[in-house]
Amino acid sequence: AQKITQTQPGMFVQEKEAVTLDCTYDTSDPSYGLFWYKQPSSGEMIFLIYQGSYDQQNATEGRYSLNFQKARKSANLVISASQLGDSAMYFCAMRRLNTGGFKTIFGAGTRLFVKA
Amino acid sequence: KAGVTQTPRYLIKTRGQQVTLSCSPISGHRSVSWYQQTPGQGLQFLFEYFSETQRNKGNFPGRFSGRQFSNSRSEMNVSTLELGDSALYLCASSRTSGGISEQYFGPGTRLTVT
Repeated sequence: AQKITQTQPGMFVQEKEAVTLDCTYDTSDPSYGLFWYKQPSSGEMIFLIYQGSYDQQNATEGRYSLNFQKARKSANLVISASQLGDSAMYFCAMRRLNTGGFKTIFGAGTRLFVKA
Repeated sequence: KAGVTQTPRYLIKTRGQQVTLSCSPISGHRSVSWYQQTPGQGLQFLFEYFSETQRNKGNFPGRFSGRQFSNSRSEMNVSTLELGDSALYLCASSRTSGGISEQYFGPGTRLTVT
């Protein structure tokens, strides 16, 4: 069975500093995708970054980077130069890539608070 | 380009009633997935529709059902509502089904069952 674990219920970071949000996963599938989403208080899920299990390099999208350590089954999100607008819930998610359809599983989430 | 829209945004129902939620995907997207988000269970996959066919289903009772129309709009229905059905229901659309296709989420429908 697939599982996503986010062990940090809440995190604080000072504005303009970097922060790492942890995510570990468990799957027996060789082909899978890892995703990070941001959910502001408005409720809408915003896609941030994607990492495929066969990707050799860590994914980056602007201020977001994904620290992918396949052997350790971890996919931590790094946000550089935090901004006040980064305060939100962050979810790590995973789904199989070698089967049709979406059946994404999500972690419990980490609430990030950015302090001015 | 318009995003994913969900109606209604807020809904209050009584136990035992039924409810229908609607999701309009981004133009050109043929896959619509539904998720339930609660404080206790987090985000859970309900089902996915692609080209009017259900492709995947999560572990929810038969009271939860859905359908997709030829224009890709989707509805989900919950019959015989229970207090535990109170949740934020999110739908997400994608151009194709599965793979590395990116899913775009709507703002959600917040359902309260009293």
